[in-house]
Amino acid sequence: QVQLQQSGPGLVKPSQVLSLTCAISGDSVSSNGAAWTWIRHSPSRGLEWLGRTYYTSKWNSDYAESVRGRITINADTSKNQFSLQMNSMTPEDTAMYYCTRERGNVYQYWGQGTLVTVSS
Amino acid sequence: DIVMTQSPDSLAVSLGERATINCKSSQSVFYSSNNKNLLAWYQHKPGQPPRLLIYWASTRDSGVPDRFSGSGSGTDFTLTISSLQAEDVAVYYCQQYYSPPRTFGQGTKVEIK
Repeated sequence: QVQLQQSGPGLVKPSQVLSLTCAISGDSVSSNGAAWTWIRHSPSRGLEWLGRTYYTSKWNSDYAESVRGRITINADTSKNQFSLQMNSMTPEDTAMYYCTRERGNVYQYWGQGTLVTVSS
Repeated sequence: DIVMTQSPDSLAVSLGERATINCKSSQSVFYSSNNKNLLAWYQHKPGQPPRLLIYWASTRDSGVPDRFSGSGSGTDFTLTISSLQAEDVAVYYCQQYYSPPRTFGQGTKVEIK
C-alpha cells in the first residue's frame, strides 16, 4: 500500500517561499511509470494541477503555466521523497496543497494535505 | 488547455434516490489508439484528500461501491450514484488526462434533500 506523508509549514508570509515535502512509503520515487505530483485546492480555483516530477532515463519535471517560473519540484532518492518549492507567494496562493502519485494518468494515492495560508 | 465544465454546481437528492452529475470537455478526450476515454471522477469530502472513483470514464477503482457508475464518450460524460447514501455527501470532480496539463471540472456538491 502506497502512503504519502506531507510535511511543511502552514503559514507563509507574502513574497516568501513555500517549501513542502512528501515522503513516500510503499513505492519508489524512481519508480518506472509513476509521476510525483502536487495539486492544490481552493474554493476559488477548485482543484489545480501544479506540476510533477518523474524518472525515465533521467529526471523530468512539468509545471502548470499559471505557476511556471515560481515553482520547482524535485525528487530526493536518498530519502525517497519529493518536494515543492514555490516562491513569491501571494494571498491568492492560499490553498490546501496535496502531494499525489500519478500512475496511468490518474491519482490513486494522496497525501493528507497541508493547508497553506499566505498572510503577514 | 482542455476546459472541463460540470453541471449542476450543486444538487440535493433524497436518500436512496439517484444523483446524476454531468461533465463536458472542450474537446474530445477519446483516445483512438486504445479505444478509451481519458476521463476520471473523484470524490472529495471535507478534511480528506480526493478519492479516485472512476477512470477510463467507466471503470471503478478498487473498493468503490457499485452504486457509482460512469458513462459517456467523446466530450460528454456522466457520473451516476444509483442510490444515494449519507456517506456520499461530497464534492465530485471530473478530470481529463487526454492532454497536459491535467484539468479538473469546477466540482459538483452533492447534498441530502
